[in-house]
Amino acid sequence: GQNIDQPTEMTATEGAIVQINCTYQTSGFNGLFWYQQHAGEAPTFLSYNVLDGLEEKGRFSSFLSRSKGYSYLLLKELQMKDSASYLCAVKTNAGKSTFGDGTTLTVKP
Amino acid sequence: DTGVSQDPRHKITKRGQNVTFRCDPISEHNRLYWYRQTLGQGPEFLTYFQNEAQLEKSRLLSDRFSAERPKGSFSTLEIQRTEQGDSAMYLCASSFQGGDTGELFFGEGSRLTVL
Repeated sequence: GQNIDQPTEMTATEGAIVQINCTYQTSGFNGLFWYQQHAGEAPTFLSYNVLDGLEEKGRFSSFLSRSKGYSYLLLKELQMKDSASYLCAVKTNAGKSTFGDGTTLTVKP
Repeated sequence: DTGVSQDPRHKITKRGQNVTFRCDPISEHNRLYWYRQTLGQGPEFLTYFQNEAQLEKSRLLSDRFSAERPKGSFSTLEIQRTEQGDSAMYLCASSFQGGDTGELFFGEGSRLTVL
């Protein structure tokens, strides 16, 4: 099975940088996703890593180390609208994605 | 294409009743997934399909839950003899297996309340 751990809550200040970590244990690893979920809404795709290294997309970057079973999502120049839950999800070779419980990020002015 | 749509958006039922949810995925997507989410938790995998074939069903899912995707397009999730513990948001997602990432596109969900 899969084991996915991420912090439950984080707080950061508008304009700052925040890093949300995710560790996982899985068999048949075939990529790691980050999704954003605002309260009362469906998750939406942010990023995907399958090889080691950093993927940058605007204010958001995601890093993966397969050997360490570790990923992080980096959010720069935080805005109030970034307050949301951030979900780490691991995809297996069979194509199924398993989610962590999410990190609730609160951005304060 | 308007994305993944789910119906109904809200369902309130009494314990012991049966409920059925419908999901219409993005038309060119060949994979369809059902997840369940409760407050403060991430989406919990229930089952998924490639075209009309059901590839996996969660071991945590009791026999009261059944899902179909008869023509490889829309899917239904039925819960028989509902229990209060079934109260949750039921999320449907679709993806294209064979694409670059296979990311999931979620519907807005069907919220079930069992009284």
